[in-house]
Amino acid sequence: AQSVAQPEDQVNVAEGNPLTVKCTYSVSGNPYLFWYVQYPNRGLQFLLKYITGDNLVKGSYGFEAEFNKSQTSFHLKKPSALVSDSALYFCAVRDDWVLTGGGNKLTFGTGTQLKVEL
Amino acid sequence: DAGVTQSPTHLIKTRGQQVTLRCSPKSGHDTVSWYQQALGQGPQFIFQYYEEEERQRGNFPDRFSGHQFPNYSSELNVNALLLGDSALYLCASSVGPTGESFFGQGTRLTVV
Repeated sequence: AQSVAQPEDQVNVAEGNPLTVKCTYSVSGNPYLFWYVQYPNRGLQFLLKYITGDNLVKGSYGFEAEFNKSQTSFHLKKPSALVSDSALYFCAVRDDWVLTGGGNKLTFGTGTQLKVEL
Repeated sequence: DAGVTQSPTHLIKTRGQQVTLRCSPKSGHDTVSWYQQALGQGPQFIFQYYEEEERQRGNFPDRFSGHQFPNYSSELNVNALLLGDSALYLCASSVGPTGESFFGQGTRLTVV
């Protein structure tokens, strides 16, 4: 069964500084990896995904993520943080539907609260 | 283009009651999945509906059931509510059962 670990409950960073939110995964078959953001009392907003191809994936709002197969990691990054980036970030892995016979079930980590301060 | 819409946004139920949550998928989407997000946790997959049938199911008891209608909208039913069922319930839709998921804003269920 696949799993996702987000080792940090909270990350604090000053506005203008680079940020990294960590994620490691365990999956059978090819990894399909996602980052979502959640603002208070809201649903999940898609940021970016890795299916195949370049290890550096660019997404919405200036975010990017680096896929590292040997370390089974998919860390979220942004060169310069904004106060408005403060939110809850979730890493998720999707079933390899070729192995499971179908379905797009997502398995999420426990989330990392990002706090960007002036 | 409307995204995924869920109703109601909030509701309060008493332990032992039954509840029905509703989801309309994004235009052009034919598959609906439901997730439960308890406070302080990541979303947990409940089940997926495609072609009006349950295609995948997570580790949830039979008290959780669903339905998909011919127009692709879906309902999540929970019977015999427990205090532990209090959570944000998220609906996600996709094009086909392997497509990318788009999430609604969620329904906040409080069981008292």
